[in-house]
Amino acid sequence: DAGVTQSPTHLIKTRGQQVTLRCSPKSGHDTVSWYQQALGQGPQFIFQYYEEEERQRGNFPDRFSGHQFPNYSSELNVNALLLGDSALYLCASSDRFLNTEAFFGQGTRLTVV
Amino acid sequence: GQNIDQPTEMTATEGAIVQINCTYQTSGFNGLFWYQQHAGEAPTFLSYNVLDGLEEKGRFSSFLSRSKGYSYLLLKELQMKDSASYLCAVRVARGGATNKLIFGTGTLLAVQP
Repeated sequence: DAGVTQSPTHLIKTRGQQVTLRCSPKSGHDTVSWYQQALGQGPQFIFQYYEEEERQRGNFPDRFSGHQFPNYSSELNVNALLLGDSALYLCASSDRFLNTEAFFGQGTRLTVV
Repeated sequence: GQNIDQPTEMTATEGAIVQINCTYQTSGFNGLFWYQQHAGEAPTFLSYNVLDGLEEKGRFSSFLSRSKGYSYLLLKELQMKDSASYLCAVRVARGGATNKLIFGTGTLLAVQP
């Protein structure tokens, strides 16, 4: 049983560019949440998807957008990249009907230069 | 607002016991989680409390007092591999089934020989 998988693992982009990160949730999970983790900080909630819609959003600008596909996988898109967007981007999957823990992927390390 | 506080760093000796405290002020409390995160890796689930009291899982225990907005993680028989960041996270619910995790900044634990 594969856990949460994210791709790519590392990425270097130039300021102003756009990036797409991908996540496949753990088998049986229908909810995907995205987090941004800056160095030395805890993860910050970006947004959450289930039933292919954004259900809740944290304090992130509209440059951050996402999508969920019928197979529950998800994408995170960031437009007009800023140097401050450099961080570890984590995807967490869960079952919204079960009151259990969220499982995290290994993350995508994004560096904006 | 939502606020979670935990110490930034702690040091302990191999074989000893260490307690990592976490205080929180959140609305819509729906459980408190502890995650372990080694440098450059994904957070991994350690423990979960939704009711007051102590939950024990092997060398790890976690305590919750909802009235005091307080939790701690207790690590016994410390091993060098326990050197990591320990994240306290509160799951908050808003209406329906959408929950999100609010993380503290993490406590970096260094285990010394």
